[in-house]
Amino acid sequence: GQNIDQPTEMTATEGAIVQINCTYQTSGFNGLFWYQQHAGEAPTFLSYNVLDGLEEKGRFSSFLSRSKGYSYLLLKELQMKDSASYLCALTDSWGKLQFGAGTQVVVTP
Amino acid sequence: GAVVSQHPSRVICKSGTSVKIECRSLDFQATTMFWYRQFPKKSLMLMATSNEGSKATYEQGVEKDKFLINHASLTLSTLTVTSAHPEDSSFYICSASSHRGAGNTIYFGEGSWLTVV
Repeated sequence: GQNIDQPTEMTATEGAIVQINCTYQTSGFNGLFWYQQHAGEAPTFLSYNVLDGLEEKGRFSSFLSRSKGYSYLLLKELQMKDSASYLCALTDSWGKLQFGAGTQVVVTP
Repeated sequence: GAVVSQHPSRVICKSGTSVKIECRSLDFQATTMFWYRQFPKKSLMLMATSNEGSKATYEQGVEKDKFLINHASLTLSTLTVTSAHPEDSSFYICSASSHRGAGNTIYFGEGSWLTVV
């Protein structure tokens, strides 16, 4: 089975940096996704990590350590529109996703 | 444009009736699609794996007779909520991979809000 843990909520001010951690246990690792989801909408793809290391994409970066079962999503230069739920998800080799509970990020002025 | 299309986006039905939600892959063939449900302020929970030409694989705790899944073609999977009850009210969303689970090739539909009254 799989177990995915991430914090429930984080608050940060506009322009700041926030790091969302995700720890997991899985019997077989095929990749880890980060999604952003605004209330009532479908998830939006942010990043995919399958190898150890840091993937940078604009203001968002994602890091993976397979040996530690650990990933984080880094959001820089926070904007009000970044207020959303951020979902960590493990995938199998066929596209099935198991999601963590999600981290609600609240950006304040 | 949308790669995976889901319809309807919102539906209200009476308790005891059945509702069908469609998930279509628009420009690729999807032998496998996935159905998730999401309650307010909760994460997405995988309900079942829809397999083209064969029976769906349901996750533990999901009633297969209540949530009927049909994957009759390589571009269409349907989820039918039978004998709907108010507790079935939820956000249902499908996804599909354009090929074997690599990178960002998992596409989500727009989601369907079901309200049972």
